Amino acid sequence: EPEVTQTPSHQVTQMGQEVILRCVPISNHLYFYWYRQILGQKVEFLVSFYNNEISEKSEIFDDQFSVERPDGSNFTLKIRSTKLEDSAMYFCASSGRSHLYQETQYFGPGTRLLVL
Amino acid sequence: GIQVEQSPPDLILQEGANSTLRCNFSDSVNNLQWFHQNPWGQLINLFYIPSGTKQNGRLSATTVATERYSLLYISSSQTTDSGVYFCAVKFQGGSEKLVFGKGMKLTVNP
Repeated sequence: EPEVTQTPSHQVTQMGQEVILRCVPISNHLYFYWYRQILGQKVEFLVSFYNNEISEKSEIFDDQFSVERPDGSNFTLKIRSTKLEDSAMYFCASSGRSHLYQETQYFGPGTRLLVL
Repeated sequence: GIQVEQSPPDLILQEGANSTLRCNFSDSVNNLQWFHQNPWGQLINLFYIPSGTKQNGRLSATTVATERYSLLYISSSQTTDSGVYFCAVKFQGGSEKLVFGKGMKLTVNP
């Protein structure tokens, strides 16, 4: 069964450094998402991406965050200058069709980011 | 405001017992998913169930969309069922995001 993959599984970085989290969505999917989960808390939506542009973003997704689909398979989340409070598990997800249709979102295994 | 509430927040069971997890949501939805978060933090998709009933082995789920709730049943629980269970919904109205509940921590003791 196709699955969403994410790299790296863990990343440790110093405050102020840039990090890039990578995801390979399911190959025929059209919608891509990033979510995050601070330790012990619920999963929160960050951003959705369709047709090579952001289609929706949350208030968490401020100017330090950016997303990109650099080629036909990868989907990346960049955090420009990491803060301590960015420490979290970051999940990538993808779904097959328009959000107007009922459709499962498939989640990757996550990248655990620790900012020191 | 728009909310997803799960109950109970925590549950401790003996192996072999049955359990019911509830998810209430505040508005009409066009997507509802149940997840199990394993000890490694991975979100395992259990059910996509915006309405109706589905079964998968010892797990089953029912969503009554008109009454805005969903139930996840775990029968004959095993220690490997331990973890956090999340309900997540996509509300009607055009938003693409899944809104997650706070989760329910299940501990199954041998």
